[in-house]
Amino acid sequence: DVKVTQSSRYLVKRTGEKVFLECVQDMDHENMFWYRQDPGLGLRLIYFSYDVKMKEKGDIPEGYSVSREKKERFSLILESASTNQTSMYLCASSFRYDREGDQPQHFGDGTRLSIL
Amino acid sequence: AQKITQTQPGMFVQEKEAVTLDCTYDTSDQSYGLFWYKQPSSGEMIFLIYQGSYDEQNATEGRYSLNFQKARKSANLVISASQLGDSAMYFCAIDGYNKLIFGAGTRLAVHP
Repeated sequence: DVKVTQSSRYLVKRTGEKVFLECVQDMDHENMFWYRQDPGLGLRLIYFSYDVKMKEKGDIPEGYSVSREKKERFSLILESASTNQTSMYLCASSFRYDREGDQPQHFGDGTRLSIL
Repeated sequence: AQKITQTQPGMFVQEKEAVTLDCTYDTSDQSYGLFWYKQPSSGEMIFLIYQGSYDEQNATEGRYSLNFQKARKSANLVISASQLGDSAMYFCAIDGYNKLIFGAGTRLAVHP
């Protein structure tokens, strides 16, 4: 089974702190993604990466950065946390599109982040 | 730009009955994929079913089937013989070149 592991289920931080969310996958997937989920808005893509050291902005990258130094690990960084970044954060991974066509994304359990 | 619309914020169904969750999409691509995910209250996103735009038959996976009407740009999820454990949020998504575009979701409640 595919396993996508997020480092924390729940996290509480203060405004202005630098926050790191870690994600590890064990299926040798090329693609990795970070989403945030807010009620009524579904999942919105923050950043994604299709290879080591590669990254692409998603729909809402402002206030976030990412790091992918190894294929299995994708980190989301909140440079200076703000209260409007309180949300559920979901990491996902998948094989690249051109391997046998469309590939489903496999998700971690999510991190509920509260910024006080 | 691609877009997914799920017009039902909430649905309820009696246990053992079938239920249809609506999904319409907008895309200018000729080739695309549609996905359905389930999110229980615990938070994880579970992949349910996939339909490719060139697939001639509707996708099925156990009790899940996809009513794909390409001309109408709709990809409704049908859950047959609902179970209490089907109570969850359900998201429709379209594949956009290695990215997924999600709808706002439908919350399904299964009543005994």
